[in-house]
Amino acid sequence: QKEVEQNSGPLSVPEGAIASLNCTYSDRGSQSFFWYRQYSGKSPELIMFIYSNGDKEDGRFTAQLNKASQYVSLLIRDSQPSDSATYLCAVNTDRGSTLGRLYFGRGTQLTVWP
Amino acid sequence: NAGVTQTPKFQVLKTGQSMTLQCAQDMNHNSMYWYRQDPGMGLRLIYYSASEGTTDKGEVPNGYNVSRLNKREFSLRLESAAPSQTSVYFCASREQGYGTEAFFGQGTRLTVV
Repeated sequence: QKEVEQNSGPLSVPEGAIASLNCTYSDRGSQSFFWYRQYSGKSPELIMFIYSNGDKEDGRFTAQLNKASQYVSLLIRDSQPSDSATYLCAVNTDRGSTLGRLYFGRGTQLTVWP
Repeated sequence: NAGVTQTPKFQVLKTGQSMTLQCAQDMNHNSMYWYRQDPGMGLRLIYYSASEGTTDKGEVPNGYNVSRLNKREFSLRLESAAPSQTSVYFCASREQGYGTEAFFGQGTRLTVV
């Protein structure tokens, strides 16, 4: 089992819709959770991070974390064609024997059509 | 401010050849990483270094070695390249702590024929 699992998609939504991306992780000691966006042929770039249970909002993006269920999600409201990219979930533990470890999921390819 | 710099950007190797991918960061980060990215596989962690002088295996370490030369530099070596190592390789660095962002290099596209 991979440390970080994502619904592999691809996911296709119309412009203006809400896109929902999901991620689960296996290490209960994980501390920080990230969503990265990667355009084709480019390097990943950070969208959001979250480390407390609940929701965190930043503009059109909302990250949700449920540590009991080991689940993290990303909602993109009012999706735009420019949001079309691969979204990568990442999980970090900066403690003890796993200090510095940062694992990514397989990514979900999102297409927003006009 | 260059961030994370990887060299080379492109490389073609013959099976059995060796090479070293270089990575340097100028952000004074403690942690550095090497990932490979294959179609549909996301980023898979090869090796990481939590601090200068330490290295640890990630998910797919076989066939690779690393050296954390100093705080700035973290190199990845392929001793005997195989076609299965054809991939895009990314180096990254970050500071330790809650929610600290990983910064990525521009990637190295490696083809082993």
